[in-house]
Amino acid sequence: AQSVSQHNHHVILSEAASLELGCNYSYGGTVNLFWYVQYPGQHLQLLLKYFSGDPLVKGIKGFEAEFIKSKFSFNLRKPSVQWSDTAEYFCAVNPPRGSSNTGKLIFGQGTTLQVKP
Amino acid sequence: ETGVTQTPRHLVMGMTNKKSLKCEQHLGHNAMYWYKQSAKKPLELMFVYNFKEQTENNSVPSRFSPECPNSSHLFLHLHTLQPEDSALYLCASSQASGGGADTQYFGPGTRLTVL
Repeated sequence: AQSVSQHNHHVILSEAASLELGCNYSYGGTVNLFWYVQYPGQHLQLLLKYFSGDPLVKGIKGFEAEFIKSKFSFNLRKPSVQWSDTAEYFCAVNPPRGSSNTGKLIFGQGTTLQVKP
Repeated sequence: ETGVTQTPRHLVMGMTNKKSLKCEQHLGHNAMYWYKQSAKKPLELMFVYNFKEQTENNSVPSRFSPECPNSSHLFLHLHTLQPEDSALYLCASSQASGGGADTQYFGPGTRLTVL
């Protein structure tokens, strides 16, 4: 089945460490890609999104993600994490036009990031 | 962030109860969504409404009944639920659905516990 995979389920880092969270999808064709974050007790918020153009996307709070079409990946990165980045991170994909899931957001299972002060 | 609000934030109900979840968006969007978020599982899309018309029912059991009286309000009516329906129910809205390029904005969710 076509899907979105986040390989890291739980990541623990110390402050100032670098972060990379993996996201892979299995849809061919043109996709739209998103990273959402859910801080403890808060709602899902958009971190960044890719629709077209420069495959390196800058988001809020120093996050960035790189779309690599050949690898079907959209990994999230941050050079130096802070304690306040502790949250759950979700990758999501809008499958291409013509697929059975066109127009929907298909989510990965999420990655819990814990940053130790 | 008050763009999408949901009430109640927490709900405990018995299997024979009838209750409703409410969502309201203040963003002028035309599409609204219900998702189910269970532990250790991806968010599951349940329903999509576009310009008040239901455009998606993702094989959701009939004990969940959505209602969209206008583009700003979305309800999820619940009856005879099962304990496995306990989850966080999220509402979202976007400018429109179907085009694929619209960012969805989420509410805080209703934490539902079915006893």
